[in-house]
Amino acid sequence: GPKVLQIPSHQIIDMGQMVTLNCDPVSNHLYFYWYKQILGQQMEFLVNFYNGKVMEKSKLFKDQFSVERPDGSYFTLKIQPTALEDSAVYFCASSLVGGGYAEQFFGPGTRLTVL
Amino acid sequence: GQQVQQSPASLVLQEGENAELQCNFSTSLNSMQWFYQRPEGSLVSLFYNPSGTKQSGRLTSTTVIKERRSSLHISSSQITDSGTYLCAMERRDRGSALGRLHFGAGTQLIVIP
Repeated sequence: GPKVLQIPSHQIIDMGQMVTLNCDPVSNHLYFYWYKQILGQQMEFLVNFYNGKVMEKSKLFKDQFSVERPDGSYFTLKIQPTALEDSAVYFCASSLVGGGYAEQFFGPGTRLTVL
Repeated sequence: GQQVQQSPASLVLQEGENAELQCNFSTSLNSMQWFYQRPEGSLVSLFYNPSGTKQSGRLTSTTVIKERRSSLHISSSQITDSGTYLCAMERRDRGSALGRLHFGAGTQLIVIP
């Protein structure tokens, strides 16, 4: 089936540094999402993105977070500066259409550890 | 409060037994999906099932929108079925944004020989 790729699979950084998580969505998809899962906890929505804009963000999407997809390349999540509570697995997803009328395809996740 | 309630929280089966996992929603839904989360954390999409019944091998998903619930039936369980099963739904709200999934806490399944 369609594949979403995420790079890197693991990232370890020191608190206060900047990190960029990369997502290569399914090629013809138009809607992009980030979700966060802290170890042992529930998967939580962070943000969705369409046509170059953030459509909705949750309370977890702090001011230190930003997303973009420059020129149809990777869909990225940037955290600057990072904090200890940002340690989690971040999942990227994409869908052909929005509004729940199409399946969301998830990547394998990037495990972020902030020391 | 929790918009997506999964039950049971955990389940132990003997190999060959069947399992029924439940997902209940507190709001109307546009769509829902079932996932299997491997022990190392990666997700496997099982079903995109906004309504009705879908089958794939030993797995069957049934979503009843009017009753705000979905179920996942696993027949003839195998040891390799062990892991966490997640359901996720998108709410039907007036003016709702585009595709935000709300996840349940998951059902942890252990299949023993």
